[in-house]
Amino acid sequence: GQNIDQPTEMTATEGAIVQINCTYQTSGFNGLFWYQQHAGEAPTFLSYNVLDGLEEKGRFSSFLSRSKGYSYLLLKELQMKDSASYLCAVSGGYNDYKLSFGAGTTVTVRA
Amino acid sequence: GAVVSQHPSWVICKSGTSVKIECRSLDFQATTMFWYRQFPKQSLMLMATSNEGSKATYEQGVEKDKFLINHASLTLSTLTVTSAHPEDSSFYICSARDPGSTYEQYFGPGTRLTVT
Repeated sequence: GQNIDQPTEMTATEGAIVQINCTYQTSGFNGLFWYQQHAGEAPTFLSYNVLDGLEEKGRFSSFLSRSKGYSYLLLKELQMKDSASYLCAVSGGYNDYKLSFGAGTTVTVRA
Repeated sequence: GAVVSQHPSWVICKSGTSVKIECRSLDFQATTMFWYRQFPKQSLMLMATSNEGSKATYEQGVEKDKFLINHASLTLSTLTVTSAHPEDSSFYICSARDPGSTYEQYFGPGTRLTVT
């Protein structure tokens, strides 16, 4: 089965940095994704990691350690519009592209 | 990036009726589409994988006779919720995989279904 854990909620101040952790135990691994989802909207793609290490993309960075079953999403220079739910998802199967999602972390950015 | 649309964006129906939701890839051909359901404050749960020209593959616990999926063309998949009940009220989201991309799925905007 698939088990993906991430914190339920986080709060941070505008301009600050927040790190959202995700741990996973899956029957297979073919990559880890982070998505942003605003209430009532579809998820939007943020990042993809398949090899160990840090991927940086503007204010957002994502890290992966396959041996530890661990990833984090780092949000820098937080803006009010970053208030959203952040979903960690794992692609577990080779060639089936199915995603298993964590429950999501609701980030609230305060002025 | 690629665009996926869903129709309708929201629908209210009475118990016992059926509702069809369409998912279209607008600027690419999607051999594989996925249907998810999301209850309030919960994450996305994969319901089924829709493959063009073949039967859908359903996840464990999802009733295939209740949630009918048809992927008749490379740009269209439909989900029909048959004999809807209030507990089927949820946010239904589709995604489509672009064969030209190694990993990315593109999500539709979702359909809010309310069964009264």
